[in-house]
Amino acid sequence: NAGVTQTPKFQVLKTGQSMTLQCAQDMNHEYMSWYRQDPGMGLRLIHYSVGAGITDQGEVPNGYNVSRSTTEDFPLRLLSAAPSQTSVYFCASSGSGSTQYFGPGTRLTVL
Amino acid sequence: ELKVEQNPLFLSMQEGKNYTIYCNYSTTSDRLYWYRQDPGKSLESLFVLLSNGAVKQEGRLMASLDTKARLSTLHITAAVHDLSATYFCAVDPSRNQFYFGTGTSLTVIP
Repeated sequence: NAGVTQTPKFQVLKTGQSMTLQCAQDMNHEYMSWYRQDPGMGLRLIHYSVGAGITDQGEVPNGYNVSRSTTEDFPLRLLSAAPSQTSVYFCASSGSGSTQYFGPGTRLTVL
Repeated sequence: ELKVEQNPLFLSMQEGKNYTIYCNYSTTSDRLYWYRQDPGKSLESLFVLLSNGAVKQEGRLMASLDTKARLSTLHITAAVHDLSATYFCAVDPSRNQFYFGTGTSLTVIP
């Protein structure tokens, strides 16, 4: 099992550009989440999904979109990148009531 | 607003010493999770505490949960350098919507 995979590992964008961060899991987990991690802020939930076709907003959803067309994939879209979105992004998945398994992260810089 | 607070935020301790990290949360949750993060790396699950009074131990780390006090502790016994990392607690009161503390950065010095 590969667990949770994320691509790319690093990305530099210019303000206003759009991009998609990819996340996939091979553990047949129902639940998937996207977090951003900023210094001194811990992890903040952006969006989450409780199954294919079902997504919901977390604590900091503005500027991000998600979709969940399959159990395995949960991409995060930045619509128009801003410097405030410079962060490390983690995708995670979990089975019902279990701990979360995290991907390796994507380090994003917006200039 | 749900809050998960950890203290201390920064901890520098000598090898061989004992210390406790505290995690307080502001809402009802019957389960709590502890994670470890090494610099530049992802998060790794350490403990899953599923009920009031739960206690889990792994090596020099022991975690406990008091759901009535909304408090979890992570106790470090006889610290070694390999334990240097950032430790996070998290709760998921509504199942699979996790809320994380800000983390405790632990440095173990010789």
